[in-house]
Amino acid sequence: ETGVTQSPTHLIKTRGQQVTLRCSSQSGHNTVSWYQQALGQGPQFIFQYYREEENGRGNFPPRFSGLQFPNYSSELNVNALELDDSALYLCASSPPPLAGVGETQYFGPGTRLLVL
Amino acid sequence: AQSVTQPDIHITVSEGASLELRCNYSYGATPYLFWYVQSPGQGLQLLLKYFSGDTLVQGIKGFEAEFKRSQSSFNLRKPSVHWSDAAEYFCAVGGSGGGADGLTFGKGTHLIIQP
Repeated sequence: ETGVTQSPTHLIKTRGQQVTLRCSSQSGHNTVSWYQQALGQGPQFIFQYYREEENGRGNFPPRFSGLQFPNYSSELNVNALELDDSALYLCASSPPPLAGVGETQYFGPGTRLLVL
Repeated sequence: AQSVTQPDIHITVSEGASLELRCNYSYGATPYLFWYVQSPGQGLQLLLKYFSGDTLVQGIKGFEAEFKRSQSSFNLRKPSVHWSDAAEYFCAVGGSGGGADGLTFGKGTHLIIQP
């Protein structure tokens, strides 16, 4: 069984540019969540996609956007990059929910983004 | 709003000694609680989770955690640590809303193992 994969592993951009990060969910998982982890901090929730629709969002501005595709893979797009966007971006996938059972998220290795 | 506090930024333990990492949460409804481990430059690996039922949960790599509702705590324990346990440990809380609010993580505890 293949786990969550992300690409690229590392990326360097300059301020004002746009970036697209990609995530392939674990087999059988139909929900994808994205997190931003700044150096020395815990991950912060950006948004979640279910059935190709955004169904939850954290405290991030609209220049952070995403997509989910019919095969449940996902993209995170960030426009007008700022220096503070430098972070590890983590993707997590979850299996279809079961009644009365909480959602377990399984994380990929992350994409490290450096904005200069 | 939900929150997680991990009071210890760093913990140093001798190899073979016991370990307890503290986690306190704030959540308005029934919480779902998780511990994840992150090795340098890596993603997060799930150690264990609590949804309901028995308040003592067993996880991978010999870890366990105990949910104490009265103390709003979910501390992680291991009876005997190995050098390979050196990593960053994160406690997280989620809700029953299908995950649409995401997980809320603590700032992490950095575990150092002394030989």
